[in-house]
Amino acid sequence: EEQLLESGGGLVQPGGSLRLSCAASGFTFRTSAMTWVRQAPGKGLEWVSSITGSGGSTYYADSVTGRFTFSRDNSKNTLSLQMNNLTADDTAMYYCTKGAKTWDSWGQGTLVTVSS
Amino acid sequence: DIQMTQSPSSLSASVGDRVTITCRASQTINTFLNWYQQKPGKAPKLLIYAASSLQRGVPSRFSGSGSGTDYTLTISSLQPEDFATYYCQQSYTNPLSFGGGTTVEIK
Repeated sequence: EEQLLESGGGLVQPGGSLRLSCAASGFTFRTSAMTWVRQAPGKGLEWVSSITGSGGSTYYADSVTGRFTFSRDNSKNTLSLQMNNLTADDTAMYYCTKGAKTWDSWGQGTLVTVSS
Repeated sequence: DIQMTQSPSSLSASVGDRVTITCRASQTINTFLNWYQQKPGKAPKLLIYAASSLQRGVPSRFSGSGSGTDYTLTISSLQPEDFATYYCQQSYTNPLSFGGGTTVEIK
């Protein structure tokens, strides 16, 4: 069974940083592109960032470019999303998903709240 | 960037009803269109990919169609477990984008 388990969310002040993690199991991780999708409270879904299986290429939404860095460790089947210079607009549930542009497995999400 | 517009934003329907949700892209996306279902407090779930292909394990009452810029999700006979919010998403090009969602409520 494919499983994705996010962690690292929490309350952070504006301008602060946070690092999200996602642990994957039940599929061939090293060949799977992965993606972060977020959802602000009561709002719709927003694509954040994608990474290729090798980790050699990453893609970002304009709203996070230059502030977020997506990386992976294929030896540990884990993903990381380093988020810097956070603003209130980054407050959301962050989902780890499997796939480059179509996402057939989702984690349960980790909540990031940016507030003073 | 490609904008995705869903309609309606919400609808009320009864068990057994046929429900249709539409999604329009701001430019052609060549059937690179996915549909997701999300229930309150849960992660989204992939229902339909490539406009009309049913994801494994999804009931056959769900179907998708369309081409070019216009796409449709149909639920042939609404079941109690289908009350949820549905999102379309274009997988044609970055930045990837979603429609605003359609909430299906109990009449």
